Amino acid sequence: SQQGEEDPQALSIQEGENATMNCSYKTSINNLQWYRQNSGRGLVHLILIRSNEREKHSGRLRVTLDTSKKSSSLLITASRAADTASYFCATNFGNEKLTFGTGTRLTIIP
Amino acid sequence: SQTIHQWPATLVQPVGSPLSLECTVEGTSNPNLYWYRQAAGRGLQLLFYSVGIGQISSEVPQNLSASRPQDRQFILSSKKLLLSDSGFYLCAWSQARPPYEQYFGPGTRLTVT
Repeated sequence: SQQGEEDPQALSIQEGENATMNCSYKTSINNLQWYRQNSGRGLVHLILIRSNEREKHSGRLRVTLDTSKKSSSLLITASRAADTASYFCATNFGNEKLTFGTGTRLTIIP
Repeated sequence: SQTIHQWPATLVQPVGSPLSLECTVEGTSNPNLYWYRQAAGRGLQLLFYSVGIGQISSEVPQNLSASRPQDRQFILSSKKLLLSDSGFYLCAWSQARPPYEQYFGPGTRLTVT
């Protein structure tokens, strides 16, 4: 399967701390995207990193990509209660489809 | 700006009944359209995608079907629902060119009883 896998499956941290979640995949990609899903809602696109990029920032989000290890990490700094959600990585192999991972469930403890 | 609609939001259907879920997109033309299913606490499974009117690609053999009668309308159907069809159904769209960022609707919670 080309499906990405997130690690950890679940993460609980105190508000204000940083949260890091990881994604691994198996074959060469065109780009990798991160999405957030609040409980019972649709997914929201957060950030995209292309295969020739190593790091991208967007507000409190920092994404890194290591194509040699076929892995990516998403860092959320200064977490807030509103960051409580599931986070998914999705890989694009150059066609119209995305392959989603199994997700990391993040809980921010006030 | 672009908007994606899905309805109904929730649905409870008996086994063997038909299904029709509808998804429409506003504010863009010629989008790629996608149907996903998400089991409780799990990732997304791509069911169908479409790159144009009448063009449907099926990813998983099952008793579901999809149609795209208009450019911005995507319909998921079944003639006879199974218990295993229960789940959270999500529609998404993307531009018809890389990098294929996807934008999701609010989802439909389907319970087959």
